[in-house]
Amino acid sequence: GQQVMQIPQYQHVQEGEDFTTYCNSSTTLSNIQWYKQRPGGHPVFLIQLVKSGEVKKQKRLTFQFGEAKKNSSLHITATQTTDVGTYFCAGVQTGNQFYFGTGTSLTVIP
Amino acid sequence: GAVVSQHPSRVICKSGTSVKIECRSLDFQATTMFWYRQFPKQSLMLMATSNEGSKATYEQGVEKDKFLINHASLTLSTLTVTSAHPEDSSFYICSARALWRESAEAFFGQGTRLTVV
Repeated sequence: GQQVMQIPQYQHVQEGEDFTTYCNSSTTLSNIQWYKQRPGGHPVFLIQLVKSGEVKKQKRLTFQFGEAKKNSSLHITATQTTDVGTYFCAGVQTGNQFYFGTGTSLTVIP
Repeated sequence: GAVVSQHPSRVICKSGTSVKIECRSLDFQATTMFWYRQFPKQSLMLMATSNEGSKATYEQGVEKDKFLINHASLTLSTLTVTSAHPEDSSFYICSARALWRESAEAFFGQGTRLTVV
């Protein structure tokens, strides 16, 4: 079952505002991945974080991996309407399996 | 990049019938594929891990006799929903991980919208 929780479940922001989603695992992860799913589409890979405390940036998106490798966050600066979608983290444990977080659905109001 | 193709994209079937969903890796070999189920506005729930040439590994609570998985080749995995009921209506999606890439990210099929009437 689900072992990775995300908050918030839903978030509505005005265009230009910032947005953050948080991901928490009950177990230590070997790495964590983030995906974006547009309405009606399938998840698309965004990034992977491997190292404890790692921070990566992709333009307006900032990804962090916690020191204990149990939590992660995705922060979007100055949201745009193209950011609309559901953002999932996926916790990768040892082996080949990984579990998706509960997801955060982002709505950007123009 | 890696491409995963899933077919059909939509299917409507009568209650009691079986439906087969195919998942193909088009340009790479996938020894392992994953099958997920997604309810509206919810996350992807891992149903099972499909292993080429061996039995699938099912997640707790997933009926293996109802959701038959076959991974007969390195490029094809199938999910058969047997004796479908309206509560089986959902979005089913497969994925395969690109283990040769440093990130080993997952590539997803387009998904199958199953409606059981």
